[in-house]
Amino acid sequence: GQNIDQPTEMTATEGAIVQINCTYQTSGFNGLFWYQQHAGEAPTFLSYNVLDGLEEKGRFSSFLSRSKGYSYLLLKELQMKDAASYLCAVRWESDSWGKLQFGAGTQVVVTP
Amino acid sequence: NAGVTQTPKFQVLKTGQSMTLQCAQDMNHEYMSWYRQDPGMGLRLIHYSVGAGITDQGEVPNGYNVSRSTTEDFPLRLLSAAPSQTSVYFCASSPTGRDEQFFGPGTRLTVL
Repeated sequence: GQNIDQPTEMTATEGAIVQINCTYQTSGFNGLFWYQQHAGEAPTFLSYNVLDGLEEKGRFSSFLSRSKGYSYLLLKELQMKDAASYLCAVRWESDSWGKLQFGAGTQVVVTP
Repeated sequence: NAGVTQTPKFQVLKTGQSMTLQCAQDMNHEYMSWYRQDPGMGLRLIHYSVGAGITDQGEVPNGYNVSRSTTEDFPLRLLSAAPSQTSVYFCASSPTGRDEQFFGPGTRLTVL
């Protein structure tokens, strides 16, 4: 598989904004998912981007630039319950529809 | 709907033992997959299935077998457990594979 890079950890204060970046090699890119995973729990779906631009869902937004091999997840008005690992996952053109390659995840720490 | 269920939640094996991790979904999803999650490495795909009777290998298939005799069930078999297979195992399903994946609660496996 190709490299998918995310920061290992980010720390922010309650009420702040956090931007989690995900970079990948552009060749063969087909789409990008973001999942949230609380400690000891299963990942849950947040967003799916296949076209360039920003998609907003309440306090969470996801952005994609296909030409730059770059996506970010924006968490606004950060809450204590947002403390979790955020996983970026890429679908490649060469793979069947369901196959995803996950990054290692970004642990978000929220301080009061 | 129960969604995606996995049993057992926890399991300890000795090296060389075999066992089956169970996964079932009641959403009539065609696509099912197995991942393992290790610290610092994100989720890695072991095997997947695009429908009953059809399975294929993922990124890390060695030491594991799967079968899909019904739409609902997708068991993962460890043939001869090794300490390197100590991990958290997640099963996931998706309506067609093109959509978001729904994850089960996971099985924590320790091989001594």
